[in-house]
Formats: sequence, structure tokens, C-alpha cells
Amino acid sequence: SQTIHQWPATLVQPVGSPLSLECTVEGTSNPNLYWYRQAAGRGLQLLFYSVGIGQISSEVPQNLSASRPQDRQFILSSKKLLLSDSGFYLCAADGTNEKLFFGSGTQLSVL
Amino acid sequence: AQSVTQLGSHVSVSEGALVLLRCNYSSSVPPYLFWYVQYPNQGLQLLLKYTSAATLVKGINGFEAEFKKSETSFHLTKPSAHMSDAAEYFCAVSSGGSYIPTFGRGTSLIVHP
Repeated sequence: SQTIHQWPATLVQPVGSPLSLECTVEGTSNPNLYWYRQAAGRGLQLLFYSVGIGQISSEVPQNLSASRPQDRQFILSSKKLLLSDSGFYLCAADGTNEKLFFGSGTQLSVL
Repeated sequence: AQSVTQLGSHVSVSEGALVLLRCNYSSSVPPYLFWYVQYPNQGLQLLLKYTSAATLVKGINGFEAEFKKSETSFHLTKPSAHMSDAAEYFCAVSSGGSYIPTFGRGTSLIVHP
């Protein structure tokens, strides 16, 4: 079955510190991968998507970046976190029958 | 371009009452439409999807949605709400050869005993 492992589940970081969130996918090959951010009352915002190793598309300008070093590994990073980076981050991948399947998310609090 | 509008950020119903969550979409080509559910501090799970087959789509947990092209709507319904249905619900659309889905802002379903 298709699953996404996403960690950590929660993270509290000071402003200006670096960030690295990782997600790995099982049960599928060469998936399209996505990073979404969910801020309170604002729904899901697509941050990055990747159609293959080393191929990253950014949907919104920000101080975050993404990388895909392996087919089933997707990493979200920042060199210096801002208060506005707080939110719930979700990794997702294409599943069968046109649907997405999601990781369990990371709750990031920047203080 | 594609977009989704979910009317009502919060919907409150009594246990046993009808659930109706509204979703309207905009798409220049025939869309794929989805409803996802999110329980607290979890990722999203697919409830149901429409991909140009039957316009009335049945999903998990007793939910269903009807695709109405003339109204550009894909409202989610359930005849009788359970306490366990309390969650955040997201409507999403993908179209135009680009699989990347666009999500609505979500509707929080509150179920009262």
C-alpha cells in the first residue's frame, strides 16, 4: 500500500533558526511529490511540487526551499525561519486513480 | 485556471441530522473533483472523487457528492451525522492535463449530541 512517512510530528523553533522537514514515500515509483502548508483558517497552500529527482517547482515566493535527492524523498528547508513560517506542513504524493495521499503532517511553531 | 470555493468555514449540525457541505469550482476544462477529510493533527484522507463517470459519487463513511455541471457544484452530503464525522473537510479540483490539485479553504464540521 502507498504510505508517506513524515517527520517530525511537531517542531518548535526560534526565529532565525534553520529548518529541515523530511518525507519519504513507499509503495509507488516516480511519484509527483508536493509540500503543502496549512495555516489556521486559510486552507491548504501548495508550496512546492516535484515531478522527478532534482526537479522542483515553487508555487509561492518565500524563504523556504525544497529538494528531492532521491525518487521517494522530499525535503523542505529554510536557512532562517520567520514567524510567518508557523503552520501545519503536509507532504503528499500521487496515488492511484488520480488521488493524492498525504503524510500525517508536521506542526511547526516558530517563536 | 482552476479554483474552488467552499461556502462556510464552519458548519454545525446535530447528531442524526443531514450534513451538507458546499463546494463550487471553476475550471476551463472538465474537472476531476475530490473531497478529503482531515481529523485533528493528521493528514488528509480521500473521501470520494469524481472523474467523469457517474455524477453521483459514493464515498466512505456514508458520504456522497453530486457533480452538477450546470451549477459548477460538487456538494458533499450525508443523511445522518455521527459524532465521529466532526473534522475538517476539503474540496479540491484538478484539470487541464495538470494533475496538481487546487484545494478550497476547508469547512469545519461540528456535530452536537
